[in-house]
Amino acid sequence: DTEVTQTPKHLVMGMTNKKSLKCEQHMGHRAMYWYKQKAKKPPELMFVYSYEKLSINESVPSRFSPECPNSSLLNLHLHALQPEDSALYLCASSQVSVGSQSYGNTIYFGEGSWLTVV
Amino acid sequence: AQKITQTQPGMFVQEKEAVTLDCTYDTSDPSYGLFWYKQPSSGEMIFLIYQGSYDQQNATEGRYSLNFQKARKSANLVISASQLGDSAMYFCAMSSLYNFNKFYFGSGTKLNVKP
Repeated sequence: DTEVTQTPKHLVMGMTNKKSLKCEQHMGHRAMYWYKQKAKKPPELMFVYSYEKLSINESVPSRFSPECPNSSLLNLHLHALQPEDSALYLCASSQVSVGSQSYGNTIYFGEGSWLTVV
Repeated sequence: AQKITQTQPGMFVQEKEAVTLDCTYDTSDPSYGLFWYKQPSSGEMIFLIYQGSYDQQNATEGRYSLNFQKARKSANLVISASQLGDSAMYFCAMSSLYNFNKFYFGSGTKLNVKP
């Protein structure tokens, strides 16, 4: 069983709705991620948090708003989304990069949240 | 710039046979990590195996092994004794010396195991 859990598993929302995706990890990691994945494509990085601070924002539209309340929780707030935002949203966690390669840099993913915008 | 290439969009393998999934990479960094992930149709990305650029030995994890050829910049995944449950999408990924929290993914290979 994955130690990164995401809720909800499936979400359908209208373009005027406000909803949130939630993620929790129990691995003691201090880096957490949001990825977006369209069908038959690799995951695309959206945001990275290190020690609860936003360290990477890959020019994501402001209708996606991340939040890291503590070291084990990560939220993605959704507002005024478009149908093209429909995708699988993956949360992940890892140790914070220590500037050298190691097995410890492995990123572990949750089961994903399937989002449909109607 | 970092780049990962997977040239096999789809592959078939007979159950109980071995299969090799290709991955080549391009980087000028002296230190990097290489990873393989499995993604079933349910969506979860499952970590399979890791290889560090300084590791002398090829990584192995159960039925998975990584054929690392540094000079050729290739990191092929070998799955031995394929099982029906191995049918999934497989992604090769790389992390960089300058930011190990930023992964670069290949386009993926869809593996189908035939009974």
